Amino acid sequence: AQSVSQHNHHVILSEAASLELGCNYSYGGTVNLFWYVQYPGQHLQLLLKYFSGDPLVKGIKGFEAEFIKSKFSFNLRKPSVQWSDTAEYFCAVNPMNTGFQKLVFGTGTRLLVSP
Amino acid sequence: GAVVSQHPSRVICKSGTSVKIECRSLDFQATTMFWYRQFPKKSLMLMATSNEGSKATYEQGVEKDKFLINHASLTLSTLTVTSAHPEDSSFYICSARLRDSSYNEQFFGPGTRLTVL
Repeated sequence: AQSVSQHNHHVILSEAASLELGCNYSYGGTVNLFWYVQYPGQHLQLLLKYFSGDPLVKGIKGFEAEFIKSKFSFNLRKPSVQWSDTAEYFCAVNPMNTGFQKLVFGTGTRLLVSP
Repeated sequence: GAVVSQHPSRVICKSGTSVKIECRSLDFQATTMFWYRQFPKKSLMLMATSNEGSKATYEQGVEKDKFLINHASLTLSTLTVTSAHPEDSSFYICSARLRDSSYNEQFFGPGTRLTVL
């Protein structure tokens, strides 16, 4: 079945550690890709998005993600996390085979950054 | 800009009653809004796509008679959970897409937690 996979369900890091969250999808064809963040008690916010062009995209708050087409991956990275990055992170795919009408979300990764 | 609100933020109701949840785009027009359901420790599952002035498109497995969606204007969509039961308890989230957006960037509301007793 077509899906979006986030391999890490829970990640615990110390401040200043580097972060990489995995995201893989199984849709063929063209896709748009997103990472959303949900801080405790808040709504989903867009971190970054990829539609075309440079596969390395930079988002807000020092986050970046790299689209590797051959691996069907769109991993999220941050060189040095802060306590305020504690949140849940969702990868989302907007597949062409839905006419780019729908967002399909991964199961989310809960990140806890200890001070 | 691009703020989406939901009302109410929390609702507790008795089994068998109906509950209406509103989703509003506050500073932009949205021809398309989406309704999601989020289970504990699970991802967001798309329930339906709501288009202004037309019938909603429901995902497979979502009962259209159970979850009534109305998108009467470019800034308002409503989800009514009819004859709610405890298994309908969940976190419901709406999102809205910019009217003239050339890509599917969605802006999310803060969600509504429904508890059915």
